Amino acid sequence: NAGVTQTPKFQVLKTGQSMTLQCAQDMNHNSMYWYRQDPGMGLRLIYYSASEGTTDKGEVPNGYNVSRLNKREFSLRLESAAPSQTSVYFCASSEVEGGNTIYFGEGSWLTVV
Amino acid sequence: DQQVKQNSPSLSVQEGRISILNCDYTNSMFDYFLWYKKYPAEGPTFLISISSIKDKNEDGRFTVFLNKSAKHLSLHIVPSQPGDSAVYFCAAWGGGADGLTFGKGTHLIIQP
Repeated sequence: NAGVTQTPKFQVLKTGQSMTLQCAQDMNHNSMYWYRQDPGMGLRLIYYSASEGTTDKGEVPNGYNVSRLNKREFSLRLESAAPSQTSVYFCASSEVEGGNTIYFGEGSWLTVV
Repeated sequence: DQQVKQNSPSLSVQEGRISILNCDYTNSMFDYFLWYKKYPAEGPTFLISISSIKDKNEDGRFTVFLNKSAKHLSLHIVPSQPGDSAVYFCAAWGGGADGLTFGKGTHLIIQP
């Protein structure tokens, strides 16, 4: 019972490099999200996709792009990584469009040097 | 401005005693509230929720209380166990497409 799966688990990037975080869910959920977690800041929404074919900015979208490839997959891309993007990234999904109970992946630890 | 506030960054409780985690919110449009539990190096996991039409919801050792007039909710854990040591996030939903709004979390430490 995989739930929400995200890759890679750990990544070190140099400033200016690009990378894509992959996320897939097998629960047939409509909505998917990308959050970042920083010390003392809680979970902040980067982008979300309320349903297949739509994406919208969250609280902290600058420096990121997303793609809702299909109902299962939602990727997060850093075009030119900056040290301020060092964080833990969580993908999540929910059955109901826009909420209400969301389920998280295991997290991706990203360090930008 | 923070719409969901957890004012205690950490809380230490003795094993067997009651743990009470607090959460305040400012947005009166929120009508569904959740608590998530997070261990280090893992993703947050859903713990318990409550709808705004209720003032209490219980699940085993976990009870969530909602005071709508005060815009306050709390999570009670009785009795507290070592495995309860984790970060607890309060979250709220106002029906929008952007999902949940989270507090900054409270680190609960259960001491033997």
